[in-house]
Amino acid sequence: AQTVTQSQPEMSVQEAETVTLSCTYDTSESDYYLFWYKQPPSRQMILVIRQEAYKQQNATENRFSVNFQKAAKSFSLKISDSQLGDAAMYFCAYRRVRSGGGADGLTFGKGTHLIIQP
Amino acid sequence: DAGITQSPRHKVTETGTPVTLRCHQTENHRYMYWYRQDPGHGLRLIHYSYGVKDTDKGEVSDGYSVSRSKTEDFLLTLESATSSQTSVYFCASQFSDIYNEQFFGPGTRLTVL
Repeated sequence: AQTVTQSQPEMSVQEAETVTLSCTYDTSESDYYLFWYKQPPSRQMILVIRQEAYKQQNATENRFSVNFQKAAKSFSLKISDSQLGDAAMYFCAYRRVRSGGGADGLTFGKGTHLIIQP
Repeated sequence: DAGITQSPRHKVTETGTPVTLRCHQTENHRYMYWYRQDPGHGLRLIHYSYGVKDTDKGEVSDGYSVSRSKTEDFLLTLESATSSQTSVYFCASQFSDIYNEQFFGPGTRLTVL
């Protein structure tokens, strides 16, 4: 079974600085998707960024980018120019690609609590 | 947002009572999911559905059942609630297996006394 590990329970960064959140995963599959979700105090789960394993290019969404290292099974999230609104729990998640179609549920890490210092 | 609602949003119940949580989506998404979130565990998959009347178990399915009689509704039932089922429950939906973003509902906080 696949597992997702986030080794940093909490991170703190100064406003306008850059922070990197770590995620590693374990799978025997060769094709899969990886995601970062943000959960602010409102509890709503918000997709930040996603990466298809077959793509070598790292995904980028405005101030958010990932460093995807397939061989190392590592998927870190970099947040540039941190803003107060970035304060939240961040979850790394994995989903395999099923041959023949279908969409399994996501496997989540335990999360990293990101604090933004003004 | 993908138009996913959950009801109730908060519920307090007693051990041994049945509880049903409802998830409703208006986007004609094929896939629907139930997760639970507990401190120190992230979100864990309980059950999911890949079409009307088609469901499968997730990682933590013991003590839960689901039903999906219409595309838009996915029900999660605790036949006899226990204190260990105190949690925040999230519903999610996904349009297809190709368009792979899961959209989440606002969550239901369930307390079993």
